[in-house]
Amino acid sequence: GAVVSQHPSWVICKSGTSVKIECRSLDFQATTMFWYRQFPKQSLMLMATSNEGSKATYEQGVEKDKFLINHASLTLSTLTVTSAHPEDSSFYICSATLSRANTGELFFGEGSRLTVL
Amino acid sequence: AQSVTQLGSHVSVSEGALVLLRCNYSSSVPPYLFWYVQYPNQGLQLLLKYTSAATLVKGINGFEAEFKKSETSFHLTKPSAHMSDAAEYFCAVITSGGSYIPTFGRGTSLIVHP
Repeated sequence: GAVVSQHPSWVICKSGTSVKIECRSLDFQATTMFWYRQFPKQSLMLMATSNEGSKATYEQGVEKDKFLINHASLTLSTLTVTSAHPEDSSFYICSATLSRANTGELFFGEGSRLTVL
Repeated sequence: AQSVTQLGSHVSVSEGALVLLRCNYSSSVPPYLFWYVQYPNQGLQLLLKYTSAATLVKGINGFEAEFKKSETSFHLTKPSAHMSDAAEYFCAVITSGGSYIPTFGRGTSLIVHP
């Protein structure tokens, strides 16, 4: 199956700093990537949808200036948490889909645990 | 609009017992349905999917699910639980011909007792 790699798996940073999380599709070209945030014992909350070469579409309530998403190529999307604060601590997961023509199956990264001190 | 309801945030079974995780969906058009499993501190892994072919879908690790249009359900089952099945399970729906953005259920935590 298709493989999505997410890096880093764990990151601890000081309040006020910025953190970048990378999401790569290793063996396929991902036309669309999704970024989710997951709180403990809860479901996935869709943050934004990114398509290669265009601006990300953010879900209501997600600050686009806070969570910068770049999808510069068909195999790489990045999420940058700017000026991180403790309330941004969470588990962030990316996923990718092959194209709209398929059945919509998502391929997930391993997730990134962000802890802001 | 599409939505998914997973009944029961926790399901507890004994090792060797039947596993039944419930999922009901709402969709105005034929849906695509998925079950994903998440182990602690990991991403999600696809267990199985329904995409308008056979209504009984077999997935990995001995899991299967049956699409029942009349009941708008897609319950996940496994005849005999293993300790390694303990995880979080998510049902998801995509509306065919729509945005292809999936809607996830709130998840069901499967607990397996020795």
